[in-house]
Amino acid sequence: AQSVTQLGSHVSVSEGALVLLRCNYSSSVPPYLFWYVQYPNQGLQLLLKYTSAATLVKGINGFEAEFKKSETSFHLTKPSAHMSDAAEYFCAVSTSRGDTGRRALTFGSGTRLQVQP
Amino acid sequence: DTGVSQDPRHKITKRGQNVTFRCDPISEHNRLYWYRQTLGQGPEFLTYFQNEAQLEKSRLLSDRFSAERPKGSFSTLEIQRTEQGDSAMYLCASSFTRGTNEKLFFGSGTQLSVL
Repeated sequence: AQSVTQLGSHVSVSEGALVLLRCNYSSSVPPYLFWYVQYPNQGLQLLLKYTSAATLVKGINGFEAEFKKSETSFHLTKPSAHMSDAAEYFCAVSTSRGDTGRRALTFGSGTRLQVQP
Repeated sequence: DTGVSQDPRHKITKRGQNVTFRCDPISEHNRLYWYRQTLGQGPEFLTYFQNEAQLEKSRLLSDRFSAERPKGSFSTLEIQRTEQGDSAMYLCASSFTRGTNEKLFFGSGTQLSVL
C-alpha cells in the first residue's frame, strides 16, 4: 500500500519568507515521490520528483525537496516566497507494481499556500 | 503540444441522469489516467489505460462508471444514474511512459455538479 500525509491544510507566509510544506509517506517498497502545484482553474503541474537518485531534488520556480528515508518525509521548501507562489500544493507517491511498471499516483489532501504582502 | 484537453469544463445534471466526459491526451502519449477530486481533497485515482488497454481500476470505480479508450487516443468516462456524491472535479492526465520514467500532464478537469 502507498499513501501520503500532508500536515497543514493551510500555510500562510509573508513574501520573502521561507516556505516549508510538509509531506510524509507510507510505502512498503522504495517510493517515487512528487510535488505538484495547482493554480486556480488550471491543471496540476509537476514541480519536482524523486526517483531514487539524489535525495535533494530541485524543481521549477526555486522549489526543492529532500527525501529522508529515516523520517519517511519529502518536505517541500523555497527560501523566499513570492506572491505568485500562492496555490495548492500536492504531494504524491508511486510505488513499483512489478510487471507493469509503477502504480498510479496516490495524492495527499493538499496544502493551500497563502503569501502575504 | 497543445496539452491535455477535457470537455466539457462544467456539467450540471440531475440525479439519475447519465453523463459522459471526454479527454484528449497529448499526442503520442501512451498512458491516460482518470482521477476524481473533491473540494479540499487531493485527486483520487480512478483508472488508467496503456494505449487502448485498461490496466487498472480503483475500488472507487463503481459499476456505474465506465471508461473507454477505443483507439488508444482520446478517452471517455461515463457515469450512469448519477448520484449527488458523484459531484466532483474529474481530471484526466496523460504521459509517455518508457520503463519507470513517467511524467504526467494534467488537464484542467471537468467539474460535475449533480443536483
